[in-house]
Amino acid sequence: DVKVTQSSRYLVKRTGEKVFLECVQDMDHENMFWYRQDPGLGLRLIYFSYDVKMKEKGDIPEGYSVSREKKERFSLILESASTNQTSMYLCAARASGTRTDTQYFGPGTRLTVL
Amino acid sequence: AQSVAQPEDQVNVAEGNPLTVKCTYSVSGNPYLFWYVQYPNRGLQFLLKYITGDNLVKGSYGFEAEFNKSQTSFHLKKPSALVSDSALYFCAVRDRDSNYQLIWGAGTKLIIKP
Repeated sequence: DVKVTQSSRYLVKRTGEKVFLECVQDMDHENMFWYRQDPGLGLRLIYFSYDVKMKEKGDIPEGYSVSREKKERFSLILESASTNQTSMYLCAARASGTRTDTQYFGPGTRLTVL
Repeated sequence: AQSVAQPEDQVNVAEGNPLTVKCTYSVSGNPYLFWYVQYPNRGLQFLLKYITGDNLVKGSYGFEAEFNKSQTSFHLKKPSALVSDSALYFCAVRDRDSNYQLIWGAGTKLIIKP
């Protein structure tokens, strides 16, 4: 099975801080995703990357940026954290070019911005 | 616009009884359909999917789902609920013409009472 790890389970930051959320997958999958999960809203896609150094905006990219320098690592960056970015952040990985289409998720990072 | 609806925020079922978690979708063309489960304080886990073929799909932990094209539904079912099935369930859909993006429902909290 694919294993997806995220650097922190819980994170508390202050407004205006720069925040890095790291995600690493161990199965050489091309596609990686960052979502945020909020009650009643399901999962909303922030950014995704279909290969190294490739990225595309999802539904809610404002206030976020991403970096994918290596295939196994996909980083989410909050340039200047704000309280409305308090949320659960989920990273996922998926193999491309297959019919299985299954996304494999990390355990999530619960970020609180004070 | 493409969308996924999970009409119930919460479903309560007695242990041993059958359970159903509802999902309807609005996607152009023929979709790929998924169910994911999130246990407390954990990331999302893949449960089952419909790609093509038999409308009844069997997945992990005794769950199954039926694809109904005329009703644009993909309800999740289990014949006999366990207390350990208590979790948050998400339905997701992908348009076959889309390479990457899943459209997610808001989630349904399933509570199984002993």
